[in-house]
Amino acid sequence: DAGVTQSPTHLIKTRGQHVTLRCSPISGHKSVSWYQQVLGQGPQFIFQYYEKEERGRGNFPDRFSARQFPNYSSELNVNALLLGDSALYLCASSGGTGDTEAFFGQGTRLTVV
Amino acid sequence: QKEVEQNSGPLSVPEGAIASLNCTYSDRGSQSFFWYRQYSGKSPELIMFIYSNGDKEDGRFTAQLNKASQYVSLLIRDSQPSDSATYLCAVTNQAGTALIFGKGTTLSVSS
Repeated sequence: DAGVTQSPTHLIKTRGQHVTLRCSPISGHKSVSWYQQVLGQGPQFIFQYYEKEERGRGNFPDRFSARQFPNYSSELNVNALLLGDSALYLCASSGGTGDTEAFFGQGTRLTVV
Repeated sequence: QKEVEQNSGPLSVPEGAIASLNCTYSDRGSQSFFWYRQYSGKSPELIMFIYSNGDKEDGRFTAQLNKASQYVSLLIRDSQPSDSATYLCAVTNQAGTALIFGKGTTLSVSS
């Protein structure tokens, strides 16, 4: 079975640009969450979506937005990129919105120059 | 601000020894607890989860949970060099909509 897939794996953008990251969850999973991980830190929660509805939002500016599609895949959008947005962006897939196990994709390494 | 605290390490153990990793959390509403392993440059991999007080064993790994003390631990028996990685402790928020991670403990197993 395919795990969580994310694209692209690496990305270099210039300050002020916009970026879209994509995620496909494990087949049968209806929940997708997004996390940002900077070097030396644990992942920080950005969004959770379940059945196309936003169920949770972390402490990130409005430049960050996301959505979930009918096939449960998801996009994370970041506008007006800052140097500080450089990080590993992780997508996690889980079966439900409650306290269930979450499985991560390989991540997208975003570098803002 | 709900927090998860871990010693950053590095924790160094010889091959074959028991590695003990600890984690404390501040949100008494947390219901689920997870340990992830993360190799350098890779994404986190789920290795253990525990929902009830007590011990849970899976192969060489044992997770321990004490909700009264707000404490979670991971024991790795017969440590192998391939266990060398950063171990992330994660707990769910009260709503169950997010994982709150610690900064991770770096484990180094020497052969």
